[in-house]
Amino acid sequence: EAGVVQSPRYKIIEKKQPVAFWCNPISGHNTLYWYRQNLGQGPELLIRYENEEAVDDSQLPKDRFSAERLKGVDSTLKIQPAELGDSAVYLCASSLGTSGSGDEQYFGPGTRLTVT
Amino acid sequence: AQSVTQLGSHVSVSEGALVLLRCNYSSSVPPYLFWYVQYPNQGLQLLLKYTSAATLVKGINGFEAEFKKSETSFHLTKPSAHMSDAAEYFCAVTYAGNNRKLIWGLGTSLAVNP
Repeated sequence: EAGVVQSPRYKIIEKKQPVAFWCNPISGHNTLYWYRQNLGQGPELLIRYENEEAVDDSQLPKDRFSAERLKGVDSTLKIQPAELGDSAVYLCASSLGTSGSGDEQYFGPGTRLTVT
Repeated sequence: AQSVTQLGSHVSVSEGALVLLRCNYSSSVPPYLFWYVQYPNQGLQLLLKYTSAATLVKGINGFEAEFKKSETSFHLTKPSAHMSDAAEYFCAVTYAGNNRKLIWGLGTSLAVNP
């Protein structure tokens, strides 16, 4: 079974440029998460989808970040324009969405973003 | 408010020695607890989870953790460290009604010396 797929793995851009990250979750997983992980810290949830609906985007900086999950499968996270402080690893995770709070999240390898 | 504290940002053990990574949580309601491992340049992988069943939870790669309500702890252990265990370990907590939102610790970096 294929895991969570993310691309690109690495991205270097100049500040004020746009950037997009793509995630394909595990087949059959209804719930999709985007996290940001800064160096030496745990992941920070940006947005959670149940199928195609964003059910928790309270931590998403909506002035510059946007996300979509068309058809309830793969998802794209966009930053426009990027700032120096956006340098981090962006992780995508998915889960079945059927086990309540015990739902296991499966993570992709992440995209390491460097903004110069 | 719920929170997670991982004591010791860096832990170093010798190969073959006991691994003990500490996690304490703060929760006013029954928690669901998780341990994840992150190898360099990789995503997080679930080691084990506690969901109110057995208090001693066995996970992958020989790791286990014991839920102790009286101590609000969920420490991760492994009897004998391998070089391949060197990684970052994260403890996380959630609870019913939190929309599956995980609260993460800051992580513990485990080094295994030959």
